[in-house]
Amino acid sequence: EAQVTQNPRYLITVTGKKLTVTCSQNMNHEYMSWYRQDPGLGLRQIYYSMNVEVTDKGDVPEGYKVSRKEKRNFPLILESPSPNQTSLYFCASSLDRERYGYTFGSGTRLTVV
Amino acid sequence: AQKITQTQPGMFVQEKEAVTLDCTYDTSDPSYGLFWHKQPSSGEMIFLIYQGSYDQQNATEGRYSLNFQKARKSANLVISASQLGDSAMYFCAMRVYNFNKFYFGSGTKLNVKP
Repeated sequence: EAQVTQNPRYLITVTGKKLTVTCSQNMNHEYMSWYRQDPGLGLRQIYYSMNVEVTDKGDVPEGYKVSRKEKRNFPLILESPSPNQTSLYFCASSLDRERYGYTFGSGTRLTVV
Repeated sequence: AQKITQTQPGMFVQEKEAVTLDCTYDTSDPSYGLFWHKQPSSGEMIFLIYQGSYDQQNATEGRYSLNFQKARKSANLVISASQLGDSAMYFCAMRVYNFNKFYFGSGTKLNVKP
């Protein structure tokens, strides 16, 4: 089944404790990106990647890191999480073609206390 | 600056009627794509429909159509024959191809009444 797999679905952590949210897709998609969703703000793009070893900042990259060492994986790293990073996070992927839609992961609800 | 605006925080529609969800966008870039996504209460994000900035015809996907008015910079989603399962949040988004960035609106919550 074609899908984007995010883990974990739920995570509660403490301020300053490094964490990684994994994202993996099995569709050979070039384009992958991370978003955070906050009430009233819609989704905001954190980072995106056009292909292996090619990543770039979205609108809200502060406090996050990403890597794209393999085409299928695009982990999101929070080196020192803070409470303002409490949010719902989505990973998405797509072929880098104009007419192709995006496949989203199931989301990761992160709480930083 | 790139921006997506959805001015309807919430809407109601009677089952089997059509409904239009508004979306306006702002970009000076000539090459962009417009997307609509659905987010049911379960939380997943579902891609619905795409419209390219150079497309001459409005996009359609089943009961979804996109009313694209380029001069007005609007990309409204029309859902025909609403069903109870259409109750969800709907997000309009834009991808500007020169920057490869995605911009989302704040969403519209649609409630379909039986």
